[in-house]
Amino acid sequence: GENVEQHPSTLSVQEGDSAVIKCTYSDSASNYFPWYKQELGKRPQLIIDIRSNVGEKKDQRIAVTLNKTAKHFSLHITETQPEDSAVYFCALGAGGFKTIFGAGTRLFVKA
Amino acid sequence: EADIYQTPRYLVIGTGKKITLECSQTMGHDKMYWYQQDPGMELHLIHYSYGVNSTEKGDLSSESTVSRIRTEHFPLTLESARPSHTSQYLCASSESGDNEQFFGPGTRLTVL
Repeated sequence: GENVEQHPSTLSVQEGDSAVIKCTYSDSASNYFPWYKQELGKRPQLIIDIRSNVGEKKDQRIAVTLNKTAKHFSLHITETQPEDSAVYFCALGAGGFKTIFGAGTRLFVKA
Repeated sequence: EADIYQTPRYLVIGTGKKITLECSQTMGHDKMYWYQQDPGMELHLIHYSYGVNSTEKGDLSSESTVSRIRTEHFPLTLESARPSHTSQYLCASSESGDNEQFFGPGTRLTVL
């Protein structure tokens, strides 16, 4: 079945640096690519999403890029802050069926 | 305010007990989901539903059942709890199609 691979599993950056998390998938029918952030002890929450008819989307310090030909999409966080420390999950949807989640990336932002 | 609710928030039970975890949403969403997640780890889909009277099994077989008699209610039942069921259980809902999932606060289950 469909799956999504997420890398890296752990990422540590200095405050102010950028962080990039990448996900690859195999099903070319995938057309919805959300990213969720889960802070310690909290529930996952959507931070940004992109659909297959768009190559890039930006919201303040976060952006998502999509390469449908290569079947990968990435989350970019610029000017990282300690409050960005969390677990980030990529996900993908195809045709309204179940959403497939990546395994998660634990991001540490060192002050 | 539209939201998604889970009860109980914490539960400690003995092996072999039957339990039901409750999930309700007031968002008018058709799709609902149950996930099992150890803190900060991967989300494992247990069951999902496209709407009333629709239920589907996810990738994680956990000896559980669900029902969807009403749009807003999606309870999860463990027929015979085991220590391996110790985890956090997250309920979520979304509109039909490919859309954002809204998660509940979770139920932290401990089976002794």
